[in-house]
Amino acid sequence: TQLLEQSPQFLSIQEGENLTVYCNSSSVFSSLQWYRQEPGEGPVLLVTVVTGGEVKKLKRLTFQFGDARKDSSLHITAAQPGDTGLYLCAGARYNQGGKLIFGQGTELSVKP
Amino acid sequence: DAMVIQNPRYQVTQFGKPVTLSCSQTLNHNVMYWYQQKSSQAPKLLFHYYDKDFNNEADTPDNFQSRRPNTSFCFLDIRSPGLGDAAMYLCATSRDWGGGSPLHFGNGTRLTVT
Repeated sequence: TQLLEQSPQFLSIQEGENLTVYCNSSSVFSSLQWYRQEPGEGPVLLVTVVTGGEVKKLKRLTFQFGDARKDSSLHITAAQPGDTGLYLCAGARYNQGGKLIFGQGTELSVKP
Repeated sequence: DAMVIQNPRYQVTQFGKPVTLSCSQTLNHNVMYWYQQKSSQAPKLLFHYYDKDFNNEADTPDNFQSRRPNTSFCFLDIRSPGLGDAAMYLCATSRDWGGGSPLHFGNGTRLTVT
């Protein structure tokens, strides 16, 4: 059973379109992180959200942490080919010590 | 720039031939991790060090070992690589363990087993 479910797993869109990636769980997380991994490279941290209902913006990317801290979303406005990559959410649970739990990832392809 | 550096970027080894992957960091972080990642899947934690304290994940095969001789360096040893061990191996660091301390990843070593 996947503790953090990401959807969709694959997404192929045209440049300029908007998209949303979801990260859902039945468990409560003390914080949640989003990473982007470009082909052949390691994941890079985009954002950390820690407060229920928190919204953070990073240029065209908007991240939201659910009120109950069980879910999160990443919305990209006017996607560009440079947004292509694997998006990973990762959460820290109160009773799992420090171990980060990763979702299975969303592979995004933005075509020019 | 402070960073996490992995060597080599690509490693080819033969079935059953031991291989060592290396990782160094200039961030002076307390925690170093080794993850295994297969074809666009989520990284799977193999083990981590908090300073010199080694922590193995319960489902990490005995075939995988690690050494951390000092704060800056960490090694992953695969004693007898099988075809199923072909993957990207990612080293990561964090300032602390717990509380969702963000991870800083290296660019990985892609291991091929022939």
